[in-house]
Formats: sequence, structure tokens, C-alpha cells
Amino acid sequence: QKEVEQNSGPLSVPEGAIASLNCTYSDRGSQSFFWYRQYSGKSPELIMSIYSNGDKEDGRFTAQLNKASQYVSLLIRDSQPSDSATYLCAVNPGGFQKLVFGTGTRLLVSP
Amino acid sequence: DADVTQTPRNRITKTGKRIMLECSQTKGHDRMYWYRQDPGLGLRLIYYSFDVKDINKGEISDGYSVSRQAQAKFSLSLESAIPNQTALYFCATSDFAGAPDTQYFGPGTRLTVL
Repeated sequence: QKEVEQNSGPLSVPEGAIASLNCTYSDRGSQSFFWYRQYSGKSPELIMSIYSNGDKEDGRFTAQLNKASQYVSLLIRDSQPSDSATYLCAVNPGGFQKLVFGTGTRLLVSP
Repeated sequence: DADVTQTPRNRITKTGKRIMLECSQTKGHDRMYWYRQDPGLGLRLIYYSFDVKDINKGEISDGYSVSRQAQAKFSLSLESAIPNQTALYFCATSDFAGAPDTQYFGPGTRLTVL
């Protein structure tokens, strides 16, 4: 079982819709969770970090964490074509501040 | 200027050649990491360093070595490159005093081994 799992997609949504990206992780002791956005051929760019159960909002982005169910999600409201990218979920399973990355979900936002 | 820089940005080399990828940062972070990214496999950790005197292997260190020349510089070497080391390589940094597990990535080096 992979430590961090994401659906590879692509997830297709129309412009203006809400995009919902999901991630599950296997280590129940994980304490910190991150979402990165990566455009094709570019480096991962940090979008959100979340450490506590519940929701965390930043502009059009909302991260949701449920430690009991071991999943973290990212909602993108009012999706724009410029949001089309691969979204990487990363988890610190605890200990030495190393991150384990999922393989990413490709999001396509159509005009 | 970019906070994390990588050189070269692109490199094509031949099997058996020695290659060095360099990473420099002006963020003042103490922790540095090297990853490779392959299609379908995501980002995998090669080596990481928590300070100049601390070097640790990641999950895929075979065939690679690193050097932490200064707090701001972390180099990755392929002693004898092979084709399956063709990948996109990223350097990342984090700050123990700030958010130690929040990593910031450089622009990447695309390496092709023929």
C-alpha cells in the first residue's frame, strides 16, 4: 500500500465550478499535510498546509483534514483555466520532517 | 532573484559520465533536500541534509552522492550516469526555526542520460 494515494485523474471541471481533490494516507501518526500545485515541467509550488482536523481556507482554496478517516482534501472554488495543473498531496508521517508525496491529480478546467 | 536556484536547468549526457547538479538558496534555510520526479512515480527523496554536518540517505540514494558545501549549497552527483537516471531533479529547502516540514522547491534540472 502506498503511503499517500491520489487519483491520477484527469479531473475535468468547467470554469467557475468547484474542483474537489482527495488524498488518503496510511500512517495514522501523520501530523502535517500539504498541497502543492505543479504546472507541467515546472517545480511544485506550495498552496496550503494544514495541521488540525477541520477546514482551512485561503482565498479560493480550502483544505480539509480528517485524521480519523485519514484523508485530506483540497477544494478550489470558482475554478479558472489557470488552475489546470497537477496537484500533489504531501504528508509528514512524523519524526524527521521528511515529506512523502502522492503521485498527484491532474486537474483540467475548461473555459 | 529566485530564492532557490538550480544549475544546470537542462543537461544531456552519456552513460558512464559523472554529472553534478548544484543547488543554492538565499532563504537562509538550514535544511535541504534532493528529489527526482518520474512520470507516474511522483517525487522521491534521494538525499537530505539538516545542516552542513548532517547528510542522510532518502529512499532512492543508490547511484547518487551529495555534498553540503555550505548552509546555502547542496550538490548532487551521479558518479556514473545510467539511462534510468533520466528524470526531473528538484532541490528543496525548509527552515527548522520556522515551519520545518514546509518545503520550498527550486526550478528543477531536466537530466537526460543517453
